[in-house]
Amino acid sequence: DQQVKQNSPSLSVQEGRISILNCDYTNSMFDYFLWYKKYPAEGPTFLISISSIKDKNEDGRFTVFLNKSAKHLSLHIVPSQPGDSAVYFCAAAGGTSYGKLTFGQGTILTVHP
Amino acid sequence: GAVVSQHPSWVICKSGTSVKIECRSLDFQATTMFWYRQFPKQSLMLMATSNEGSKATYEQGVEKDKFLINHASLTLSTLTVTSAHPEDSSFYICSATRTGQWSNQPQHFGDGTRLSIL
Repeated sequence: DQQVKQNSPSLSVQEGRISILNCDYTNSMFDYFLWYKKYPAEGPTFLISISSIKDKNEDGRFTVFLNKSAKHLSLHIVPSQPGDSAVYFCAAAGGTSYGKLTFGQGTILTVHP
Repeated sequence: GAVVSQHPSWVICKSGTSVKIECRSLDFQATTMFWYRQFPKQSLMLMATSNEGSKATYEQGVEKDKFLINHASLTLSTLTVTSAHPEDSSFYICSATRTGQWSNQPQHFGDGTRLSIL
């Protein structure tokens, strides 16, 4: 049972444009959501997070939006840069599973110069 | 800050060998560390939660006797893959959260260990 889903395996964007990565979840107990960026053969790097008490969190070029009623979150990157090209994972935590993260399948983002 | 070091980064060994992977939090104390496994082009799957001074908590389907976890100090957790076989070949990643932090804090990941069993 995939509790966190990233339905787009890949996304290709032109440099300077907006990248929008989407993530859906099914477990209503999740109350904390994170986005990680990952390069091949490296561990994930934390990007940004959001608590369920908020619907938006912004950090520089990265903004995460949370729609609790739709159980959907998205990561916006504006403007996109070639260095943003990587695999992006969304992750969720909450309920009785203290600290445990459930990851989506990842979306490969490619930003073209 | 919040650096997690994982060692070794790459291991190739013969079938039947036991392999130990270390995960260290370099600049913070971590009561809890987590071990994940990633298959090619798939998501990170949590294997177990490593608790300092107590037994690890394993996820359903993960063999406790196969994947031994020891968390002897606040900065070190080890994962030992015992009698490794080719199907154990994978990318293993650890993560850690600062001790005493409110639960909603990001985990910080090591760079992973690529394990290849011949």
